[in-house]
Amino acid sequence: GAVVSQHPSRVICKSGTSVKIECRSLDFQATTMFWYRQFPKQSLMLMATSNEGSKATYEQGVEKDKFLINHASLTLSTLTVTSAHPEDSSFYICSARDLGRAETQYFGPGTRLLVL
Amino acid sequence: KNQVEQSPQSLIILEGKNCTLQCNYTVSPFSNLRWYKQDTGRGPVSLTIMTFSENTKSNGRYTATLDADTKQSSLHITASQLSDSASYICVVSLLNAGNNRKLIWGLGTSLAVNP
Repeated sequence: GAVVSQHPSRVICKSGTSVKIECRSLDFQATTMFWYRQFPKQSLMLMATSNEGSKATYEQGVEKDKFLINHASLTLSTLTVTSAHPEDSSFYICSARDLGRAETQYFGPGTRLLVL
Repeated sequence: KNQVEQSPQSLIILEGKNCTLQCNYTVSPFSNLRWYKQDTGRGPVSLTIMTFSENTKSNGRYTATLDADTKQSSLHITASQLSDSASYICVVSLLNAGNNRKLIWGLGTSLAVNP
């Protein structure tokens, strides 16, 4: 099956610093990538939808200036958490929609962010 | 309101036993229903995806059913294995305006398979 990778798998940073998370589709082209956040014992919450070559669409309540998304190519999207605070500590998961199979989303393994 | 509710919230079974997880939804307009398996600390992995016209779909020891009239779905796991311990999430896709799809996520059922 299609593979989506995320890097890093876990990161610990100090409050006030910025953290970049990469999401790559390894064996298919993804015009659309999605970024989710998941808190313990809760469901995935969609943060934003990222389309290659255009601005991301953010869900209500998600600060676009805090969570910067760049989708520069058909295989790479990045999420930058700017000026991270402890409340940003969460599990961040990306998914990619296969260009040739519009209904199918493949999820990455997730990135665990801990802000001290 | 578009919602997906799953039951039970958690379940413990012995290795080798069968189990059935439930999903009720109030999502409209309905596009498809998916079941995902999420291991702790990992991203979700798709098990099945069913459209309105499909009543059942199998993937190995996993069998999903869909009753679009009552808006219910179930996921049956046969001959459970220790590796089946995970969270099972029901996700319903709705068709937005402009033919865009939005996923409505359930909270999941946490399954523990004990030896």
